[in-house]
Amino acid sequence: DSGVTQTPKHLITATGQRVTLRCSPRSGDLSVYWYQQSLDQGLQFLIQYYNGEERAKGNILERFSAQQFPDLHSELNLSSLELGDSALYFCASGPRAGLSYEQYFGPGTRLTVT
Amino acid sequence: AQSVTQLDSHVSVSEGTPVLLRCNYSSSYSPSLFWYVQHPNKGLQLLLKYTSAATLVKGINGFEAEFKKSETSFHLTKPSAHMSDAAEYFCVVSDQAGGGNKLTFGTGTQLKVEL
Repeated sequence: DSGVTQTPKHLITATGQRVTLRCSPRSGDLSVYWYQQSLDQGLQFLIQYYNGEERAKGNILERFSAQQFPDLHSELNLSSLELGDSALYFCASGPRAGLSYEQYFGPGTRLTVT
Repeated sequence: AQSVTQLDSHVSVSEGTPVLLRCNYSSSYSPSLFWYVQHPNKGLQLLLKYTSAATLVKGINGFEAEFKKSETSFHLTKPSAHMSDAAEYFCVVSDQAGGGNKLTFGTGTQLKVEL
């Protein structure tokens, strides 16, 4: 158990809808990272927040957005969902701002878009 | 631009024999390199990382990797495979090219361990 929690575990929704995925980092970690894992694209880094501010951006679509709140939990918002957005979404946390430091991954949220 | 290539999508070994998972990277700067493992239906777990200190890096569960700049490689090895090592392994590169941080994952190597 990494200490990172993600909710919900599974999410099934229809095309065009909007969903919010939630992540609580390990106690004391200031960085939160979001990843998407799909059969087509593999594992992709989406975005990183550090202490409430966006720190690094990867292959995140404009339909997706994220934020980190003062209590350090983070939410990933996915809107206008398409079938291709079906994937496993991971959150990770770490103690520092840089990407060269280790990250601790949560169990993931499996999103199915029908 | 950074990239990472995992040379084998599947590797099969017998229990007790050595494991070699190959990874080549491309990076404009001094990279940080990682190996992560993902067991079925689980999140990723860090095995080891290289951040410009010793070129031979020891990780958890008996795994180690050697950074070879001349060959742009960061292969993962283990002297003796165990059934519990069966999982997917990802080689990851991180650098700060272009003024920002970025992480790039390889496509993964599925390790099968047979009796």
